[in-house]
Amino acid sequence: DGGITQSPKYLFRKEGQNVTLSCEQNLNHDAMYWYRQDPGQGLRLIYYSQIVNDFQKGDIAEGYSVSREKKESFPLTVTSAQKNPTAFYLCASSQVGPEKLFFGSGTQLSVL
Amino acid sequence: DQQVKQNSPSLSVQEGRISILNCDYTNSMFDYFLWYKKYPAEGPTFLISISSIKDKNEDGRFTVFLNKSAKHLSLHIVPSQPGDSAVYFCAASLNYGGSQGNLIFGKGTKLSVKP
Repeated sequence: DGGITQSPKYLFRKEGQNVTLSCEQNLNHDAMYWYRQDPGQGLRLIYYSQIVNDFQKGDIAEGYSVSREKKESFPLTVTSAQKNPTAFYLCASSQVGPEKLFFGSGTQLSVL
Repeated sequence: DQQVKQNSPSLSVQEGRISILNCDYTNSMFDYFLWYKKYPAEGPTFLISISSIKDKNEDGRFTVFLNKSAKHLSLHIVPSQPGDSAVYFCAASLNYGGSQGNLIFGKGTKLSVKP
């Protein structure tokens, strides 16, 4: 079955630590995205990539980094510069065009 | 400044009745609108969309209405079922035909359908 896989489902970060969230898709989609959801808030775009080896900052990119070395993979690193990392992180993909986003099941990141 | 607003954080409806979820937007350049449904600890799933050149789109029990002059859209669910209980997000796009990286989401409305 095609879909988007995010791992891990739960992740804990210590002070000053970088952590990486995994996102893999087998839908053959060109575009991939990372969103952050805080309680009672909408989804806010962190980074997106429309093609391999290229990505753009979203609305809240500070303290995050990404890479897109393969079409199927778009990992997100939450760096120590992100002072408020506790949130639910969602990865999504789509074909470039007026297509709907397909979301993964999310990763809940918490700070120890 | 919120460009997409869902002013009702929650809505409770009896099973079998109609659920109406509302969404307002401020940017008249938005040209594509979508509704997503989200269960706890899961990713959102696409529900229905509408282009700005239309005023209605229907898919089974779900209908989305767009009123461009009022910058308002609504999602109607008829009849409502307990399995519809979830958070519903309204989203708007500035670039129909392009990347959806610029989707703007509302804060969501939690729908509870009571048996």
